[in-house]
Amino acid sequence: AQRVTQPEKLLSVFKGAPVELKCNYSYSGSPELFWYVQYSRQRLQLLLRHISRESIKGFTADLNKGETSFHLKKPFAQEEDSAMYYCALGFGNEKLTFGTGTRLTIIP
Amino acid sequence: ETGVTQSPTHLIKTRGQQVTLRCSSQSGHNTVSWYQQALGQGPQFIFQYYREEENGRGNFPPRFSGLQFPNYSSELNVNALELDDSALYLCASSPMGRTENTGELFFGEGSRLTVL
Repeated sequence: AQRVTQPEKLLSVFKGAPVELKCNYSYSGSPELFWYVQYSRQRLQLLLRHISRESIKGFTADLNKGETSFHLKKPFAQEEDSAMYYCALGFGNEKLTFGTGTRLTIIP
Repeated sequence: ETGVTQSPTHLIKTRGQQVTLRCSSQSGHNTVSWYQQALGQGPQFIFQYYREEENGRGNFPPRFSGLQFPNYSSELNVNALELDDSALYLCASSPMGRTENTGELFFGEGSRLTVL
């Protein structure tokens, strides 16, 4: 069965400092991995997906199949990055298994 | 472009009752998925509807059922409510099978169900 683990429920980082949100997964097939974000008073929305290999709002995430990880990184945190972040594993036709989420707070 | 809309936004039921939640998909989207999000947890996949048929189901009992209509809107029905059914129910749509499909889900704001 597929599973996504986000070990940190809460993460506080100073503005301008690097950010890393951890995500590990277990899945026997070929994984599709996503990061979704929920800003205050907004709906859950896609931040980025591994297949695109793109940087969104300065965030990147690299799929490491050997370590079964998909950590989200940003070199310099900004106050507007404060939000709830969910790592998600796709198991076919947009069915997703989500982690429990990490609440990121950027300290001014 | 109209986003995903859900109704009602909040509702309170008592144990044993039945509830129906509704979702209108984003314009042009043919697939609707339902997720349950308990407090402090991530969304958990309930089931997906595509072309008015169930297209995959998570680990939820049969008292969770759904429908999709020709206009792609959807309903989630839960019978014999239990206290543990208290959660935020999220609907998400996507344009599966179409060229604009990117694997992204577009979420509604959710229906918060409280079971007393």
